[in-house]
Formats: sequence, C-alpha cells, structure tokens
Amino acid sequence: AQSVTQPDIHITVSEGASLELRCNYSYGATPYLFWYVQSPGQGLQLLLKYFSGDTLVQGIKGFEAEFKRSQSSFNLRKPSVHWSDAAEYFCAVGAPGGYQKVTFGIGTKLQVIP
Amino acid sequence: DVKVTQSSRYLVKRTGEKVFLECVQDMDHENMFWYRQDPGLGLRLIYFSYDVKMKEKGDIPEGYSVSREKKERFSLILESASTNQTSMYLCASSPLLEGGNQPQHFGDGTRLSIL
Repeated sequence: AQSVTQPDIHITVSEGASLELRCNYSYGATPYLFWYVQSPGQGLQLLLKYFSGDTLVQGIKGFEAEFKRSQSSFNLRKPSVHWSDAAEYFCAVGAPGGYQKVTFGIGTKLQVIP
Repeated sequence: DVKVTQSSRYLVKRTGEKVFLECVQDMDHENMFWYRQDPGLGLRLIYFSYDVKMKEKGDIPEGYSVSREKKERFSLILESASTNQTSMYLCASSPLLEGGNQPQHFGDGTRLSIL
C-alpha cells in the first residue's frame, strides 16, 4: 500500500529565508506526487505535481520540488519565503493509472516570522 | 475558473440526526471525493465516485454513505450523527484522463460539529 510521511509537523522560518519541507513516500514503482497548500479556512490548492520526466518540478507561487527516486523523497523548496506563505502544506502520492485514490500526508504547518 | 462548492461552511447538528453535506462542481469532472480532515491525521478518504451512481469506499467509510445522482453533485450522508464525526469535511473533484490520478480540486470545506 502507498503511504506518505511528512516528518515535520511545524516549521518556523523568518521572512526572506529559504524553505524546505520534507516528504517521503512508499510505493512500489514511480508514483504520481503532489504538493498542496491549505490557507486557514480554505480548501487545498495544488502547488505542483510530478508525473514523469524532469525530476525538478516548478510550481505556482515560486515553489519547486525535486523527485529523488533513490531516497523516495519529494521535498518542496522555496528560495525566499514571504509572510503570505504561512499555511499548511500537504504532500500526496497516487498510483499512475488505475482509479483515483490519492494518499495524503498529515501536513506541515508553516509559520513565517518577521 | 474551476469551482467546487460545498453547501455549508459551518454546520451544527445533534447526535442521532441524519446529516447531509452537499458538494457541486462545475468542471464536468468524472471523479468526486469526500475527505475528513482532523489535526494530526491529515486527510482521510471516506468515499469516492468515478461516475454517476457509482461509489467506492475509501479508508474510513463506517458511519457514512454517499449519493451521486448527477455528475456534478456528490452528497455525503451521516446516517446517525455521532460526536466522533465532528470534523472538517472536504469535497474534491478531478477529471478522468488517460494516465489516471489527475490533480484534485477542492472546495473550501464544511466544519461540522455534532453536539
């Protein structure tokens, strides 16, 4: 069965600092991978996705993620964090093809301090 | 723009009531999903549907049922609400494309309290 681990429940960074959120997955082959962001009181919004090809994926709001098969990781990065990035971030894994079940991690809550 | 609309942002019901949560999408998506979100547990899939009148159990279907009579509408039903069903409920939809597992579009959620 597929699974996702987000080892950091809370992260605090200073505005302007770089950010890396960790995500490790368990899946037998190359999965589909997603990062979503959830602002307070709202639903989830897709930041980026990896299906195949280039392992460095660019997303919205200046985020990027790198798929590393050898480490079963799909970490999310941003070079300079803005106060508006404070939110909860979810990594998700899904099987290519088949039906549409996707497994979500428990989320990482990002706090940005001035 | 893509839109998934959940009928209520906040809902308060009593134990034992039958509760309906409604979700409508305007994107002509084949797939629709219901999740519940709890602190420390992330999103857990309750049910999903890949076509009208079709449904599949997710990871935590107990105490819930669903209905999909029209492509754009997916309803979650709590047959007899209990306090442990107090949670945030999220609806999502996605298209059925070759290769499967397209990104899901989410509504803003319904925060349900069972007293």
